[in-house]
Amino acid sequence: AQSVTQLDSHVSVSEGTPVLLRCNYSSSYSPSLFWYVQHPNKGLQLLLKYTSAATLVKGINGFEAEFKKSETSFHLTKPSAHMSDAAEYFCVVSDPSNTGKLIFGQGTTLQVKP
Amino acid sequence: SAVISQKPSRDICQRGTSLTIQCQVDSQVTMMFWYRQQPGQSLTLIATANQGSEATYESGFVIDKFPISRPNLTFSTLTVSNMSPEDSSIYLCSVVPPNTEAFFGQGTRLTVV
Repeated sequence: AQSVTQLDSHVSVSEGTPVLLRCNYSSSYSPSLFWYVQHPNKGLQLLLKYTSAATLVKGINGFEAEFKKSETSFHLTKPSAHMSDAAEYFCVVSDPSNTGKLIFGQGTTLQVKP
Repeated sequence: SAVISQKPSRDICQRGTSLTIQCQVDSQVTMMFWYRQQPGQSLTLIATANQGSEATYESGFVIDKFPISRPNLTFSTLTVSNMSPEDSSIYLCSVVPPNTEAFFGQGTRLTVV
């Protein structure tokens, strides 16, 4: 069965410092992986996606993630945090049946301190 | 891409009543998905709605509690029936157009009192 585990429920960084949000996945197949962001009282927005092309994926707002099959990881990074990055982040894997079903990680709350 | 209009955006309901949530998409899609996000939790899939057939429910969700309609390829409704405070959540619909990623509605924030 597919699953994702976000290793940190809460991450706090200072503005201007790097961001690292960790995600490990479990999959019997070559997975499609995503990072979504949810700002307070707003909808879900796709940050980036991995679908078996380049292992280093660049997304919006300066975020990127690297797919590492040997480590079954898909960590999200950003070189320099901005106050507007404060939000809930979800690592997501798609169901292998390719029906469009998504399996969400538990979420990581990113706090950015001035 | 896909633009999803979901309504209501929020509601406060009395226990024992039902609420129907609507989801309208600006393009035809084969499947629509309904998710629940309980307070402080992640998203959990409730069911998958195909046009012209009964919805497929995930473990822990039943049709009597969450009946779903899918009358055409651009519209779906989810009803939360006989509500209790434990049903207080954000409910989201989602679509996955061909060869692209999932898109989500803005969500319906439900509070049951």
